[in-house]
Amino acid sequence: GAVVSQHPSRVICKSGTSVKIECRSLDFQATTMFWYRQFPKKSLMLMATSNEGSKATYEQGVEKDKFLINHASLTLSTLTVTSAHPEDSSFYICSARPGAGANTEAFFGQGTRLTVV
Amino acid sequence: AQSVTQLGSHVSVSEGALVLLRCNYSSSVPPYLFWYVQYPNQGLQLLLKYTSAATLVKGINGFEAEFKKSETSFHLTKPSAHMSDAAEYFCAVTDNQAGTALIFGKGTTLSVSS
Repeated sequence: GAVVSQHPSRVICKSGTSVKIECRSLDFQATTMFWYRQFPKKSLMLMATSNEGSKATYEQGVEKDKFLINHASLTLSTLTVTSAHPEDSSFYICSARPGAGANTEAFFGQGTRLTVV
Repeated sequence: AQSVTQLGSHVSVSEGALVLLRCNYSSSVPPYLFWYVQYPNQGLQLLLKYTSAATLVKGINGFEAEFKKSETSFHLTKPSAHMSDAAEYFCAVTDNQAGTALIFGKGTTLSVSS
């Protein structure tokens, strides 16, 4: 199947700093990528839809100035958590769907565990 | 709008017993439905998917699910649980467009005892 690679897998940062998470589609082009956040023992919450060459679409309640998304190429989307605070600590997962129709499937990155201290 | 509801946040079974994890969906368009499994501190692994073909879908590790439109359900089953099945299971819904995200249920934790 298709591969989505996410980096880093773990990051610890100081409160007030910014952290960038990368999501790459390794063997397909992804016009659209999705960013999710998962709290401990909770479901995946869709944060935003990243669109190549245009602005991301954020879900209600997600601060777009806090979570900056850039999708500059067909294989790379980045999520930057700006001025991170301890409450931003979470597991962040990206996803992409290589195709549409009956063969569609979503592939997920390995996730990034962010800890803000 | 699309959504899924997973009944039961925690299911406990004995090794060798039947596993039944419930998922009901809501969708204004023909749904595509998925079951994913997640092990601690790992990403998601696809178990199986329904994309409007056969209503009984077989997946990996002996899991299967049946799409029932009349009941808006897509329950996940496995005839005989194994200790290695203990994990978090997520049901998800989307449509047939690549630009549409998957929407997840709240998840069900499966525990398997010996």
